[in-house]
Parts: sequence; structure tokens; C-alpha cells
Amino acid sequence: DTGVSQNPRHKITKRGQNVTFRCDPISEHNRLYWYRQTLGQGPEFLTYFQNEAQLEKSRLLSDRFSAERPKGSFSTLEIQRTEQGDSAMYLCASSLKGVHPSGFQGMADTQYFGPGTRLTVL
Amino acid sequence: AQKVTQAQTEISVVEKEDVTLDCVYETRDTTYYLFWYKQPPSGELVFLIRRNSFDEQNEISGRYSWNFQKSTSSFNFTITASQVVDSAVYFCALRVQGGSEKLVFGKGTKLTVNP
Repeated sequence: DTGVSQNPRHKITKRGQNVTFRCDPISEHNRLYWYRQTLGQGPEFLTYFQNEAQLEKSRLLSDRFSAERPKGSFSTLEIQRTEQGDSAMYLCASSLKGVHPSGFQGMADTQYFGPGTRLTVL
Repeated sequence: AQKVTQAQTEISVVEKEDVTLDCVYETRDTTYYLFWYKQPPSGELVFLIRRNSFDEQNEISGRYSWNFQKSTSSFNFTITASQVVDSAVYFCALRVQGGSEKLVFGKGTKLTVNP
């Protein structure tokens, strides 16, 4: 399996601009999570999807943030009218909820992370 | 609510020393999972271990070992004979059963191993 991938790895933008990040999860994983990590802190949960359904959003996710996972595969996170406080590392993780089609439970439910997208808002 | 505390912000050791990273968690749930992740300078979080709340057996994997004690709500991580490549930020995380099963992370401990 290839791991979780995220693009772009770095994004520098001016305040007020819109940005969009993409996450491609591990192929058979049905859950996809977005986290935000600021300097010196641990990652904080933003939202998650089970297949294409967005089932929970954190209070950290203001109305300027929107996430989609249209076909239950890749996901996008868009930030509108960026602010300097949005500068952070945005991490995507995926996991398999339930039993793997092969029947092997293995490390199901363990979240595997991508390399992150570092956003700098000037 | 769940909480994870990693009291050690930074630790610096000399190569070949043993080092223990502390993790204390809080939850009222009886079914939960504890994790350790490593974040090297490249930024990607690398999964190291998962333990569930019903399994207090300690685990050893090479130079890494984990001590899970429900009585003290701790899940400590020891690196034996540390190496420069172990330099990274290490995060302890908690996940409860049900719902989103999101991870709640501590603030991390930055480990620097000097040659």
C-alpha cells in the first residue's frame, strides 16, 4: 500500500485569499480525518469522514473552512478569506473502520498520517 | 472529556543513554486506546504503537518499550541506547471507543539525541 499523500506540501498565501488542500488516503481506508497543528502543539481534530459522509466537525472549524470527500476517496479542505491565524500544518490521516475485506483485523482503526501541508498566511 | 499530558517539553541526551518519555491521560471511558507517534523534522507523524485499555501488558520492540499502568493513568515510552536518528518530537495520543474516534494528542516531547 502507498501511504497517505497530501498536496501541496507548502503553501504561502496572502491574507484574504482562498486556499485548497488535497489528501489522498490509503486506498482501502474508509475513514479520513483532518487535523491542524500549530507550532509547539499537538495536532487538533478538525473533522472526519466515513466514506463520503462528513460525520463530525470540531468547533475549531469556522464557517470559512469547508471539507469534502465527494466519492469517498480523496478529500479537499478549503479555507476561504485566509487569516494569519490560519497559519499551521494541516494533517490528514486515514483509517479502516471495521473488518478488512480479507478478514484480517490487523491494525484496523489505527490512523496513519500524511506528510502534511504547511500553510503560511502573510 | 479526554486529556493527554506530556509534562516534558524537551529532553536532551547523549547517544547511547536510555530515555523515558512520560504520558498521563484522563478519560472517564472504560474502553479506549493509547498511541505513540513520532514526528521527525520532516513533519510526518509516524505511528509507533497502539494499546487498548484492557491490555496492560508492557511491550518491547527492539530498542523501544512501553509501560502502560491504568492505576496511574500512564503510558510511558522508553528508548534504550538512544541514537541520533531518534531525535524527533514524540506525541502520546488517546482515542475513546465510538463516535468519531478522533485522536486527542498531548503537546509532545522534543527529544534531542546528541552524538
